[in-house]
Amino acid sequence: GDSVTQMEGPVTLSEEAFLTINCTYTATGYPSLFWYVQYPGEGLQLLLKATKADDKGSNKGFEATYRKETTSFHLEKGSVQVSDSAVYFCALSDWARVRGGSNYKLTFGKGTLLTVNP
Amino acid sequence: DSGVTQTPKHLITATGQRVTLRCSPRSGDLSVYWYQQSLDQGLQFLIQYYNGEERAKGNILERFSAQQFPDLHSELNLSSLELGDSALYFCASSVDGTGGAEEQYFGPGTRLTVT
Repeated sequence: GDSVTQMEGPVTLSEEAFLTINCTYTATGYPSLFWYVQYPGEGLQLLLKATKADDKGSNKGFEATYRKETTSFHLEKGSVQVSDSAVYFCALSDWARVRGGSNYKLTFGKGTLLTVNP
Repeated sequence: DSGVTQTPKHLITATGQRVTLRCSPRSGDLSVYWYQQSLDQGLQFLIQYYNGEERAKGNILERFSAQQFPDLHSELNLSSLELGDSALYFCASSVDGTGGAEEQYFGPGTRLTVT
C-alpha cells in the first residue's frame, strides 16, 4: 500500500538557518504530493503541492520538487523565521481501493516538529 | 481560519461511553473527511462522505460510524470507547472529493480524552 516516510525530528534551528525536511514515498500509481503545516492548537493547512514529476510547489518561501526517480518530495526553505515553528506533514494522494469502493485517499507521514529559536 | 468548524473542542469521557463529534464544512464544499491523529499512529484517514453518501472508508473501527446530513454537516459517532481511542479527531472538507490534487481544508479538531 501507499506510504510516506519523513524525518521525524524534532528539528531545532536558529532564525535565518536553512531548512530541509526529507520526505520519501511509496505509491502504486502516480500520486499528487503535498506538504501540510499544523501550527500549535490549529488544524492542518495546505502549504504547497505538486501533481506530477519535476513539478515544484512553492509558498511562503518554502519549496519542494516532485522527484519521481528518487520518490522524494523534500521540503526546503532558505531562511526560517520563528513564525515557521510548527509540525510539517508530507502527504500523498493516490487512487486506492478502500473499504466501500475506491477513491483518492490522502496518506500522511508522521509529521516533523520544527522549532525555530530567535 | 479554514471555514471548517468542529464542536466540541475538548471532550472527556469514560470507557464504555458513546460520544458524537460534529463538523460543519466550508460553505459550498460537498465532501467531508474524518481523520484521527494519535501519537503512535499519526494521522489516519477514517471515512469520507460526499453529498450525504459514504464514498470511502479507511481505518475506521466497527465501533465508529459517521453520517452526513442534508445540510452537509457531518457527525462522527464513537461508541464503546476505549482508552486507546483518546486522540485528536479532525474533520476536513473539499469541493467535491473527486480530484487527486484537490485541497482539503481542515477544522481545528476535537480532542477526545477517554479515562
